[in-house]
Formats: sequence, structure tokens, C-alpha cells
Amino acid sequence: SQQGEEDPQALSIQEGENATMNCSYKTSINNLQWYRQNSGRGLVHLILIRSNEREKHSGRLRVTLDTSKKSSSLLITASRAADTASYFCATDAYHTDGSSNTGKLIFGQGTTLQVKP
Amino acid sequence: EAGVTQFPSHSVIEKGQTVTLRCDPISGHDNLYWYRRVMGKEIKFLLHFVKESKQDESGMPNNRFLAERTGGTYSTLKVQPAELEDSGVYFCASSLRLPTVDHEQFFGPGTRLTVL
Repeated sequence: SQQGEEDPQALSIQEGENATMNCSYKTSINNLQWYRQNSGRGLVHLILIRSNEREKHSGRLRVTLDTSKKSSSLLITASRAADTASYFCATDAYHTDGSSNTGKLIFGQGTTLQVKP
Repeated sequence: EAGVTQFPSHSVIEKGQTVTLRCDPISGHDNLYWYRRVMGKEIKFLLHFVKESKQDESGMPNNRFLAERTGGTYSTLKVQPAELEDSGVYFCASSLRLPTVDHEQFFGPGTRLTVL
């Protein structure tokens, strides 16, 4: 089963519009992170939100977390052509005894965002 | 400060050949992770080193994959013999803090492996 499933899988918008991506997960988490991957490049960390937080902002990014629904959303406001990339949410994974998180991240399939100039 | 680097950036090999990928983490980062993304699917965890020790290798797909981190600095991931389904992008990441607290993993640019 997948942890961290993104919705939609692909999104195409005009420059200046807002882009919203959603992520759902299945297990308990300590935190949830969003990453961006530009074509041919590595993953860039965007923002981390803890399980006891509901909303977090960073520049044009706004992340929400609803632990009761096991979902998160990433909002990019006033999008730019340079925001064109794939966006992934990732959750940490707990040891089977629930004692602590393992360090490894569990990613979803990602949302491919295209921002047209 | 230099980021995580990976070499090569792209490798094209034939089925049955051997390929070795290298990752240099950020200096001082004890934690090193390997992930891969195949066929546009999700990015999947392969294994986690703490210094030179394998902390978790539950994501390694089979015994054709061998990861090492001698001396606790750089790491190599060898695929021998490579199969078609091994094609994908292999990412390396490193982090400073122990996984028991919030930690950011810094990712390298990835190695794109194509097996023909």
C-alpha cells in the first residue's frame, strides 16, 4: 500500500494563478514534508509541518495538515513559470513497536505542476 | 557548504552488466540514505546508513544490490547484474540529526540509470 498519495497527478495552470496539491497518508506520522523536483535535478526540501501543527507558511507556500483525515495540502500562490516541477509529500515512518521514527521517508507518486507563462 | 553530490549523473548500461553509483553526503552528516524512483512511480526508500553501519536495509529489492559506506564518508551502491527493471533515478540523501527528532534530509541530484 502507498503512503503519501498525491492528488492531482498532473496540474496545468497559468502564471499568476494559485496551485493546490493534496496528499493523503495512511499511518501515524511525526511530521510531513513537501519536496520539489525540477526536471533532471534533485529533490529540494520545501517545508516541514509537524503532526501537532495545522498550518505553516513559507513565502508563497502554505501547507495545511489534517491528522484526523490523514491529509495535507500544499498551496502555491501567485505561481511563476519557475514553479514548474514535480511536487512530492513525504512522511516519516515509525518502527513497528511505535517507539520512534526510523528516519526513512515515505513518498507519494507526486504531482506534476506546469505553470504556463 | 557543498551539498550532496552523486556520480555519475547518468549511466547507460546493458542488461547483465555491473554499475556502481557513488554518493558523497554533506560533510559531518552521519545519516545517509538511498532512494530510487522507477518508471515515474513514487520515490522508494532503499537503505539507511548511520556512519558506516547499515541501520535499515529493508528497501533493498534483492541481492543484486549492494551498498557500502566504508569509513562512514561516501557511499556506493552497486547493481550486479543489472536488469531492465532497475532503470530509474537513484537518489542519495544525508541528514545531520538522528531520526528521533525532526530532521531535514538533503538530497543529491540523483543518478539516472538506464538498463538496455
